[in-house]
Amino acid sequence: NAGVTQTPKFQVLKTGQSMTLQCAQDMNHEYMSWYRQDPGMGLRLIHYSVGAGITDQGEVPNGYNVSRSTTEDFPLRLLSAAPSQTSVYFCASSYEVGETQYFGPGTRLLVL
Amino acid sequence: AQSVTQLGSHVSVSEGALVLLRCNYSSSVPPYLFWYVQYPNQGLQLLLKYTSAATLVKGINGFEAEFKKSETSFHLTKPSAHMSDAAEYFCAVSDDNSSNTGKLIFGQGTTLQVKP
Repeated sequence: NAGVTQTPKFQVLKTGQSMTLQCAQDMNHEYMSWYRQDPGMGLRLIHYSVGAGITDQGEVPNGYNVSRSTTEDFPLRLLSAAPSQTSVYFCASSYEVGETQYFGPGTRLLVL
Repeated sequence: AQSVTQLGSHVSVSEGALVLLRCNYSSSVPPYLFWYVQYPNQGLQLLLKYTSAATLVKGINGFEAEFKKSETSFHLTKPSAHMSDAAEYFCAVSDDNSSNTGKLIFGQGTTLQVKP
């Protein structure tokens, strides 16, 4: 199993550009989530999904969209990038809600 | 709302010394509690998890944590630090067992430095 994979590993954007961060898991996990990590703030939940076709907002959802058309994939879309979205983004998945979450290697995003 | 506080953003110990990383949570009901470790430029890896089965939880790499309800604490310990333990450690709590959202609330993180 590859586990949780994320692409790209690193991305530079200009303010106003849009992009999609990809996340996939091959463990047949129902629960998937996106976090952002900023220095001194730990990880904060952006969006999550409890199964295909079901998504909900986390703690810091503004400026981000998600969809879950398949069990395996959970892409995160930045609609119009802002410098405040410079961060490291982690995708995570678990077999079901409340179970141990497994994290991907992260995507480093720099918005100029 | 749930919150997690990790006391000390940076902890430095000598190789072979005791490691103690502190975590306090706020919760009105017994939560699920986690410790994750993050090595440089990597994702988070689960060290251990408390789910109310036992108050002393043993994890990987010789780490363990004790759940103390009276102190709302879940401190992480290791008897003897190794150079490879140098990393950032995160304490996390499940947002609310009853809401079943799976959300994790993370502390700010503690960077562990191990000196030779």
